[in-house]
Formats: sequence, C-alpha cells, structure tokens
Amino acid sequence: QKEVEQNSGPLSVPEGAIASLNCTYSDRGSQSFFWYRQYSGKSPELIMSIYSNGDKEDGRFTAQLNKASQYVSLLIRDSQPSDSATYLCAVKPPLFAGNNRKLIWGLGTSLAVNP
Amino acid sequence: NAGVTQTPKFRILKIGQSMTLQCAQDMNHNYMYWYRQDPGMGLKLIYYSVGAGITDKGEVPNGYNVSRSTTEDFPLRLELAAPSQTSVYFCASSLTGALDTEAFFGQGTRLTVV
Repeated sequence: QKEVEQNSGPLSVPEGAIASLNCTYSDRGSQSFFWYRQYSGKSPELIMSIYSNGDKEDGRFTAQLNKASQYVSLLIRDSQPSDSATYLCAVKPPLFAGNNRKLIWGLGTSLAVNP
Repeated sequence: NAGVTQTPKFRILKIGQSMTLQCAQDMNHNYMYWYRQDPGMGLKLIYYSVGAGITDKGEVPNGYNVSRSTTEDFPLRLELAAPSQTSVYFCASSLTGALDTEAFFGQGTRLTVV
C-alpha cells in the first residue's frame, strides 16, 4: 500500500515566523510531488510542485525534496495569518507502478498562524 | 475560463434517494477525478477517468457510479443514498499523466443524507 504521511497538527506559529511542514512517502520511485493548500470549507489549490532533489523557491514558499530519505517539506517564511489553512501533500507514483494516473494524498497538516 | 464547475453546491438527501452530482471542465483535460472528504480527513478517491469512455474505481467506489461520455463532463451518481455518504465531494481534472500534472479542483458539493 503506497502511503503519504503528514503530521496532522495543528502546527501553531507566530506571525512572521517560519512554518515547516513535512511529508514522507513510501514509494521510492515517486517522481512528482505537490503541496496543496486548503482553506476551511474550500477546495484544494496547488501552491508548489517539485520534481528534483533540492530546494525550489516561490515567493515566501520553499519546497524541499530528498528522494533518498523519501521526504518532501514545505517552508513558509514570514508566516501570515492568511496562511492559516490545511496543507496537503500529494505524490504521483512512478510510471512503472502500473497505476500512476492518480495522486496519493496525505491527510494534511493544519497550520495556524497567530497574530 | 471557468475551470472545473460542480453543481449543486449544497444538497440534502433523504435515505434511499438518488442524485447526480455534475462536474464539467473547460480546459480539455483528459483526466478527471471524484473525491470525497469527510470532516478533518484527507481526500479519498471514488472514481477517476483517463478519457472519454474510460472510467476506473478508486479507493471508495461502493454506492457510486460514474460515466464519461464526453471529455468535458464527469457526473457522479449516488444510488440509494446512505448517511455514510454525507461528505463534501470534490471533482478535479488534470491534463495528462505526465510528470508536471497538477490537479484543478471544483468548488465542492456539500451533501447531507438524513
């Protein structure tokens, strides 16, 4: 059973701090990794994607991927109250998995940024 | 460009009733998905489709049916609604199964079965 695991939280950080969200996955051959943000009562929206080992930065967001250790993380710098949401990690299985046509989702980490 | 459109946004069903949740996308995406999300839980895949005429079961298909007669539309049918089907339903689409595929979501349908 392919799995994606996240701490459910809630993760609470003060405004202006760095929020660090982590995700581990079980399928070593996975190639594509996505972070989605979901506000309460809303649908998920993509905020970051990463495919290669290392860091990928987009504004205040940085995704980090370590395929050897099978984890992907999301850093949010200068956290704002508007960043308060649930962050979902999604992983696309490898092509040779036979069924890589769907994403494998973590349960999400709830982030609260306190003013 | 409307993206992924779901209707209705809210619905209350009585036990045993049936209904169809509509989903349409205008991005010419091949892949479409139906998820359900229970409170405080992650997304569970109900059914998905890789193109018109092709559908396949996800993790939790029991009690649901789908069809994909066109690229644009992917309706989800609930037969004999049960309280366990109370949930928020999301339809999503993606372009292909390629490396850089992201999923675009509709706004969701909140269904209550009483």
